[in-house]
Amino acid sequence: DQQVKQNSPSLSVQEGRISILNCDYTNSMFDYFLWYKKYPAEGPTFLISISSIKDKNEDGRFTVFLNKSAKHLSLHIVPSQPGDSAVYFCAATSHGSSNTGKLIFGQGTTLQVKP
Amino acid sequence: NAGVTQTPKFRVLKTGQSMTLLCAQDMNHEYMYWYRQDPGMGLRLIHYSVGEGTTAKGEVPDGYNVSRLKKQNFLLGLESAAPSQTSVYFCASRFLAGGSGTQYFGPGTRLLVL
Repeated sequence: DQQVKQNSPSLSVQEGRISILNCDYTNSMFDYFLWYKKYPAEGPTFLISISSIKDKNEDGRFTVFLNKSAKHLSLHIVPSQPGDSAVYFCAATSHGSSNTGKLIFGQGTTLQVKP
Repeated sequence: NAGVTQTPKFRVLKTGQSMTLLCAQDMNHEYMYWYRQDPGMGLRLIHYSVGEGTTAKGEVPDGYNVSRLKKQNFLLGLESAAPSQTSVYFCASRFLAGGSGTQYFGPGTRLLVL
């Protein structure tokens, strides 16, 4: 059972436009969400995160929105740049009693930003 | 400061062979993780460790063993490799489980089992 889902395997946008990547989750115990970016032949790198007590977090061109009632989060990149072309993974975790820091990842969305 | 490093970068095995993947981190992190990445599956947790001398199973532990004898090293072993273990393996580490949740990843090991 996939607890974190990214239903769009790929997304193509024009340079300068907005990129919107979506992520849905099913486990209501998740209370922290992260986005990772991955270039080919490299490991994922942390991009931005959001706590469940917030509905928005912004860092430069990147903004993550969280809709807890819909169990949905999205990553907005404005403006998109060719260097943003990569695979984006959504991840979720629960800071509950287990306290292990385990992350549950979505399948990833490949973003292509065309010049 | 090298961060998280993985050895080897690429390996080809025959079915039934064994091997060990090494992960090392120089950030004094307590927590370490092993993931595998397969097309359309994202990253799935194999095993993890919350401190030196401790290990625990993740989502897909079957066919793998791990050891954390030293805080900075986390080893992933395949005792008898199978073609289903063809994948890209990533190691990650973090300082504490609370807080931001950020994990730092190594560059990956690509494994092909024939």
